[in-house]
Amino acid sequence: AQTVTQSQPEMSVQEAETVTLSCTYDTSESNYYLFWYKQPPSRQMILVIRQEAYKQQNATENRFSVNFQKAAKSFSLKISDSQLGDTAMYFCAFFHQGGSEKLVFGKGMKLTVNP
Amino acid sequence: DSGVTQTPKHLITATGQRVTLRCSPRSGDLSVYWYQQSLDQGLQFLIHYYNGEERAKGNILERFSAQQFPDLHSELNLSSLELGDSALYFCASSNPGGIRTDTQYFGPGTRLTVL
Repeated sequence: AQTVTQSQPEMSVQEAETVTLSCTYDTSESNYYLFWYKQPPSRQMILVIRQEAYKQQNATENRFSVNFQKAAKSFSLKISDSQLGDTAMYFCAFFHQGGSEKLVFGKGMKLTVNP
Repeated sequence: DSGVTQTPKHLITATGQRVTLRCSPRSGDLSVYWYQQSLDQGLQFLIHYYNGEERAKGNILERFSAQQFPDLHSELNLSSLELGDSALYFCASSNPGGIRTDTQYFGPGTRLTVL
């Protein structure tokens, strides 16, 4: 069974600074995808970024980028130029294509961006 | 806005009662997933339907059931409700066979409170 671990329960950062959220996972599968979802106080689950495991290139979406280390099973999210609207819970998630096709989530990390 | 809709937004009911949560997937999406988010269990996969057929079950109690209708909307039925069933219930959809078949888009959730 796959597991996803987010070891930092909470972090804070100053507006305009850069912050990195860590995530590790465990799997024996080779065909999988990794995601970061954001859950602001509204409780909506919002897709932030997606990484295909077979791609070595790290995904980037505007101010959000990942550092995907497949051998180390590590998938960290970097947020550049942090904004107040980035304050949210962030969840790392694993998806195995061709398996149960469910998302396996980490426990989440609360990020606070301070003015 | 993800394009996934869920009703109702909030539901307050008593122990022992039965409720139905409704989800409409994004236009064209064939897969619907249900997840439960509670404080102690985090985000847990409940069940996955694809084009009307059940594809996978997760940690879904026997008191819970779901179905997906020909128009692809889905309903999650929760019966004999207990205090511990209080949680945020999310529906997500994806489009197997389309672009990014692995990516799930979440609805706004239904907040269930059992008193």
